[in-house]
Amino acid sequence: GAVVSQHPSWVICKSGTSVKIECRSLDFQATTMFWYRQFPKQSLMLMATSNEGSKATYEQGVEKDKFLINHASLTLSTLTVTSAHPEDSSFYICSANTGGSSYEQYFGPGTRLTVT
Amino acid sequence: QKEVEQDPGPLSVPEGAIVSLNCTYSNSAFQYFMWYRQYSRKGPELLMYTYSSGNKEDGRFTAQVDKSSKYISLFIRDSQPSDSATYLCAMRVTGGGNKLTFGTGTQLKVEL
Repeated sequence: GAVVSQHPSWVICKSGTSVKIECRSLDFQATTMFWYRQFPKQSLMLMATSNEGSKATYEQGVEKDKFLINHASLTLSTLTVTSAHPEDSSFYICSANTGGSSYEQYFGPGTRLTVT
Repeated sequence: QKEVEQDPGPLSVPEGAIVSLNCTYSNSAFQYFMWYRQYSRKGPELLMYTYSSGNKEDGRFTAQVDKSSKYISLFIRDSQPSDSATYLCAMRVTGGGNKLTFGTGTQLKVEL
């Protein structure tokens, strides 16, 4: 149980285009989903927290107009990188939490984005 | 100063060795402490979870938390090549929307 999937696992896009990454909880309902980015040999940096049906809460320094997050259902959240630039190339990982007092975040396998 | 400090390694040990991984932190409000294992190009996987101070054992893994020193450890006994991965510590405060703060991760290699 507690499986989180991400799609695509790897995407290459041209500079200036937009790319959408999906995060799905396959066997549970995710009240809260988190989006992280991870640069090589660095830790996970939280970008934003999203709760189903409400606007995402972005961390300081993360451009909300550039990284659009939608959490339309209890099993799906999407991250859209708009007007991508090479410096947006990174490993994007989502996690899901069932909410309440549950401490555990279940992580997806990650999406590697390369912007050329 | 980062909220959570972790030596990035790499740490290389022979098979069967006892591995000690550590993190220090500065925020005394952290109450929940976790260790994640991350294989290359994969998402993190929860290994151990501890609330407040104390020890917790699960098979070959032991997690220790010393809140007075703001220091947490993960010990791996009888290390195996399959333990080769990056180990990330993470912690959070009570409430706070379940937001986790991660260390940079320690890269571990267990050699035959």
